[in-house]
Amino acid sequence: AQKITQTQPGMFVQEKEAVTLDCTYDTSDQSYGLFWYKQPSSGEMIFLIYQGSYDEQNATEGRYSLNFQKARKSANLVISASQLGDSAMYFCAMRGSGAGGTSYGKLTFGQGTILTVHP
Amino acid sequence: EAGVVQSPRYKIIEKKQPVAFWCNPISGHNTLYWYLQNLGQGPELLIRYENEEAVDDSQLPKDRFSAERLKGVDSTLKIQPAELGDSAVYLCASSLLPNAEAFFGQGTRLTVV
Repeated sequence: AQKITQTQPGMFVQEKEAVTLDCTYDTSDQSYGLFWYKQPSSGEMIFLIYQGSYDEQNATEGRYSLNFQKARKSANLVISASQLGDSAMYFCAMRGSGAGGTSYGKLTFGQGTILTVHP
Repeated sequence: EAGVVQSPRYKIIEKKQPVAFWCNPISGHNTLYWYLQNLGQGPELLIRYENEEAVDDSQLPKDRFSAERLKGVDSTLKIQPAELGDSAVYLCASSLLPNAEAFFGQGTRLTVV
């Protein structure tokens, strides 16, 4: 079984500042992937960034970076230089990626963190 | 390239009535997911398809929910009969491979009155 925990129901950040959204996970799979999605008030789920469990370097995509600490089973999202348009719900998700693993292909989400960016 | 397309965007029905949702995944994506999302919560998987085969439907309430993916492309999700507690957003997603990132449609917001 796999589980994602996001302990911050809501976060506030000042425009142009950096913010970290926490995510911890639990899985019995040896190979897995971690994802972050953004869901604005309009409702669509937007893929932001991916980290594979065997990737040695932290993933980065523009202003998004993933602080991956495998031993601590954490995959925190860092948003640099926050913008007003970053205000949204953010979901951490994981999926087993090793064929034959119990969670292969199953994408499991956390409860989400609402981020509010203040001007 | 077109994204995942879902219809309808909104649906209001009376309880005990049937309802169906349609999803057209991104071309070439073999993996298709249906998720249910209650307000303020994360999406919960209902069913996952690899091509036309349902490989994970353990969380689909089979007494009232059914799904199909004929020819391994479009998919429909049906509820019959609908209950008040089914009011939620139903999200469809697809991915190229089972371990690749999933892309989501805009969802269908169902209200049962």
